[in-house]
Amino acid sequence: QVQLVESGGGVVQPGRSLRLSCAASGFTFSSYAMHWVRQAPGKGLEWVAVISYDGTIKHYVDSVKGRFTISRDTPKNTLFLQMNSLRAEDTAVYYCAISSGWYSPFNYWGQGTLVTVSS
Amino acid sequence: EIVMTQSPATLSVSPGERATLSCRASQSVTSNLAWYHQKPGQAPRLLIYGASTRATGVPARFSGSGSGTEFTLTISSLQSEDFAVYYCQQYNNWSSYSFGQGTKLEIK
Repeated sequence: QVQLVESGGGVVQPGRSLRLSCAASGFTFSSYAMHWVRQAPGKGLEWVAVISYDGTIKHYVDSVKGRFTISRDTPKNTLFLQMNSLRAEDTAVYYCAISSGWYSPFNYWGQGTLVTVSS
Repeated sequence: EIVMTQSPATLSVSPGERATLSCRASQSVTSNLAWYHQKPGQAPRLLIYGASTRATGVPARFSGSGSGTEFTLTISSLQSEDFAVYYCQQYNNWSSYSFGQGTKLEIK
């Protein structure tokens, strides 16, 4: 069955960096687009970034452009989110999710990893 | 950017009754609209995609309708496990996916 396991969250000071990982299994990793979605405490869902199945196309929400980078390592079936210049407003649970294409919903989600940006 | 607006913010319904949730897009998303629900401490789960197609394993009491800018999720007879937060999402603009702010469905 599909499994997505996020890791790498924690407490980090404003302005510092953090890299999240999402280990995938149970499906053909190289056939799916991958997403990061975040949820601030007590708030709704916010889509953050997407990477195409082959890693050649990436898109970001405006609030993270130039600070966050999405990438994937196909041989290791792992998705990454490099987060630089972190701000208090980046505090959230970060979920990875998969979709079968651009015009597709998010079929499966991981359980999330909490990132807290605080001094 | 396509803005998704859900109403109401909170809906109080008794078990066994029908619940109707609404979602409006700021511009047409054709039928590229999904519904998810999320229980406390859990990840979201896909319920409906293509505005009206139930995802695998989703009970028939869940139904979706609409196209363009106006969408509805109906739960025909609420069960205890249905009380959660519901989100709509457009995936028509694939360079900027967006979610509604959510509707909390609570027990009356």
